[in-house]
Amino acid sequence: AQTVTQSQPEMSVQEAETVTLSCTYDTSESDYYLFWYKQPPSRQMILVIRQEAYKQQNATENRFSVNFQKAAKSFSLKISDSQLGDAAMYFCAYRSAYYGGSQGNLIFGKGTKLSVKP
Amino acid sequence: GAGVSQSPRYKVTKRGQDVALRCDPISGHVSLYWYRQALGQGPEFLTYFNYEAQQDKSGLPNDRFSAERPEGSISTLTIQRTEQRDSAMYRCASSLTGADTGELFFGEGSRLTVL
Repeated sequence: AQTVTQSQPEMSVQEAETVTLSCTYDTSESDYYLFWYKQPPSRQMILVIRQEAYKQQNATENRFSVNFQKAAKSFSLKISDSQLGDAAMYFCAYRSAYYGGSQGNLIFGKGTKLSVKP
Repeated sequence: GAGVSQSPRYKVTKRGQDVALRCDPISGHVSLYWYRQALGQGPEFLTYFNYEAQQDKSGLPNDRFSAERPEGSISTLTIQRTEQRDSAMYRCASSLTGADTGELFFGEGSRLTVL
């Protein structure tokens, strides 16, 4: 079974600075997707960024980028120029790309709570 | 609809009562998922459907929990004889298929409190 581990329960960053959130995962599959979801105090689940495992290039979405290391099974999220609105719970998630593999559902880590100091 | 819609948004019930939580996925989405999220934790998979077929119910904690999606669209998660430990946020998500580019779209959740 696949597992996702976020080893940092809480992180803090100064406004305008950069922070990296860590995520590791375990799988025997070769094709899959990885995600970072953001959950603000409103408790919505907002997709931040997605990475397909077959793509070597790291995904980037504006101030958000990932460092995907497939061999190491590592998928960290870098937030540049941090803003107060980035304060939230961040969840790393894994999804199999095989129909029927893990039944297609997302497997989440326990989350990292990010605080942004003004 | 434009997004995944869940109702009720908040439900307070007494121990022993049955509750039904509803999810209306994005129109055209084949796959529908139910998750449970305790405070301070990540979402935990409960069950999922492709069309009306329940593909996996391995995450349902016990036989008090059941789910259906009879016409392949709206789904209902039912909890019978609720217990205080059932208190949590219950989230529904949908996706185009079970193996597309990967994104699940989440509803805002139904917060259940069992007194």
